[in-house]
Amino acid sequence: RKEVEQDPGPFNVPEGATVAFNCTYSNSASQSFFWYRQDCRKEPKLLMSVYSSGNEDGRFTAQLNRASQYISLLIRDSKLSDSATYLCIAGTASKLTFGTGTRLQVTL
Amino acid sequence: EAGVTQFPSHSVIEKGQTVTLRCDPISGHDNLYWYRRVMGKEIKFLLHFVKESKQDESGMPNNRFLAERTGGTYSTLKVQPAELEDSGVYFCASSQGLGGRGSPLHFGNGTRLTVT
Repeated sequence: RKEVEQDPGPFNVPEGATVAFNCTYSNSASQSFFWYRQDCRKEPKLLMSVYSSGNEDGRFTAQLNRASQYISLLIRDSKLSDSATYLCIAGTASKLTFGTGTRLQVTL
Repeated sequence: EAGVTQFPSHSVIEKGQTVTLRCDPISGHDNLYWYRRVMGKEIKFLLHFVKESKQDESGMPNNRFLAERTGGTYSTLKVQPAELEDSGVYFCASSQGLGGRGSPLHFGNGTRLTVT
């Protein structure tokens, strides 16, 4: 079983739709959680950190459920520019582990 | 503020040759990480430096890989001798605090290594 698991997708959604991604992690000692976005042939870029209380940044909402060991990302009012791969990351101390990423394609 | 820079952006070498990748972290970031993505797989951790010290090198695949960070500034990752399975994208990242303690990592553009 992978340390961090994500549905690879692709998720194909129309513009304006709401889409949610889940990610599960196996190491209960994980302390840090992030969502990164990666465009084709580019480096991963931080989308948002994930806090225990949940956090929101514009159209993006991240949630953490420690009991069930999963992280979620909700994107509201999807834009074409949201098309990318979304990487879930969970970490302990110095080591952050990536999921394989979930591919999102937003269409007209 | 300059971001994390990596050099070269692409490298094509033959099996058995040596390649050295370089990473310049964001100035002031003590934490430097190397990751790599092999085709079709997830990005995997290689190692982590705090200043010039290796904090965790549990992800280094074998002794053909050598990472250094002399002086605690830039880092190099040398692959010698390169094998076909070493092909992939090598990312470097830096952070001010520990990534595992909530400090986000800032990634460089990556070095795309192709071993033929």
